[in-house]
Amino acid sequence: AQSVTQLGSHVSVSEGALVLLRCNYSSSVPPYLFWYVQYPNQGLQLLLKYTSAATLVKGINGFEAEFKKSETSFHLTKPSAHMSDAAEYFCAHARGFSRDYGGSQGNLIFGKGTKLSVKP
Amino acid sequence: GAGVSQSPRYKVTKRGQDVALRCDPISGHVSLYWYRQALGQGPEFLTYFNYEAQQDKSGLPNDRFSAERPEGSISTLTIQRTEQRDSAMYRCASSVSPSTDTQYFGPGTRLTVL
Repeated sequence: AQSVTQLGSHVSVSEGALVLLRCNYSSSVPPYLFWYVQYPNQGLQLLLKYTSAATLVKGINGFEAEFKKSETSFHLTKPSAHMSDAAEYFCAHARGFSRDYGGSQGNLIFGKGTKLSVKP
Repeated sequence: GAGVSQSPRYKVTKRGQDVALRCDPISGHVSLYWYRQALGQGPEFLTYFNYEAQQDKSGLPNDRFSAERPEGSISTLTIQRTEQRDSAMYRCASSVSPSTDTQYFGPGTRLTVL
């Protein structure tokens, strides 16, 4: 069965410090992996996605993630945290692969989320 | 519209009542998804549509839950005879096509069953 595990429900960093949010997945199909961010009282917003192209994926707001097949990981990083980065971050895996459509299909499987706090 | 919209944003109901949650996807988006998110958890899949056809409803918890998208645009998620355990944030998302990876999420409907 496919699953997504996010290590650490809460991460706290100082402003300007490195942000590292961990995500591991398990899948028997080609992985399509995503990071979403949720700000308070807002919907989920896509940060970045991996769809079997470059293993290092750059997203919005200075975030990036590296797909490592050998480690089944897709950790999210940002070199220097900003106060505005405080939010909840979700790693997700597309459930299926459609040969008909040549891409991911159907629902996303989410991790439990990691709340990022940024201290001044 | 500019984004996915959901209504109502908040719904408080008494146990045993029926509720209908509405999702208006981004105009032209073929695929529409429903998720439920309990406090402290990630969203969990409920069901999804391509156009008006329900493709997968394996995530619906039981037969009190149903969804429709009759004209391939707006969708309604209906919960009959609500129970306290149904309290959660219900999220809707849409994507351009079935093979498009990016799902755009609405703000959600917070359902509280008393």
